[in-house]
Amino acid sequence: GNSVTQMEGPVTLSEEAFLTINCTYTATGYPSLFWYVQYPGEGLQLLLKATKADDKGSNKGFEATYRKETTSFHLEKGSVQVSDSAVYFCALSSETSGSRLTFGEGTQLTVNP
Amino acid sequence: GAGVSQTPSNKVTEKGKYVELRCDPISGHTALYWYRQSLGQGPEFLIYFQGTGAADDSGLPNDRFFAVRPEGSVSTLKIQRTERGDSAVYLCASSFLTGRQETQYFGPGTRLLVL
Repeated sequence: GNSVTQMEGPVTLSEEAFLTINCTYTATGYPSLFWYVQYPGEGLQLLLKATKADDKGSNKGFEATYRKETTSFHLEKGSVQVSDSAVYFCALSSETSGSRLTFGEGTQLTVNP
Repeated sequence: GAGVSQTPSNKVTEKGKYVELRCDPISGHTALYWYRQSLGQGPEFLIYFQGTGAADDSGLPNDRFFAVRPEGSVSTLKIQRTERGDSAVYLCASSFLTGRQETQYFGPGTRLLVL
């Protein structure tokens, strides 16, 4: 079946530091890959997505590249801000799973001023 | 425009009771999904609807859980004979179409606590 593995958290960084949150996946077929973010007290929001190999998703300074050869979709940001503090979820949707999303466990990010 | 809304935002009930959780999707979205999120975990799929019909209910944990979407818009998740293990945040999402490339838009969730 499908599965998503994220790096364990929590992650604590200082403002302007470089961020990487690792995500690897197992899926049949050709999945689409997503990063969702959950800010404190808010619902899940789509941060970025990529639907085929070598695609790069980007939004709000965050980037992730769909790497089929390493089955990875690592999230990066060059300079984090305090407002980026949130829980980040990697997810996938594959042809064989229909429209359902399979999520990783989430990574808590705290950015200190 | 309005996003996905869920009511109630919080629900406290006693073990053995029946509860209903409501979801209003984004207007015009044909697909609607239910997920359950336990503390410290990622959301887990329960069921999704394409129009009025349940296209995939394979994530429902047992026959105490049931969901409907009679008019292809609002959906209700129903839990009978609640158990303490049902305590979680229940998330609803909608998308314009179905398919692996579609973006799902999530509501704020209903936090269910079974005492």
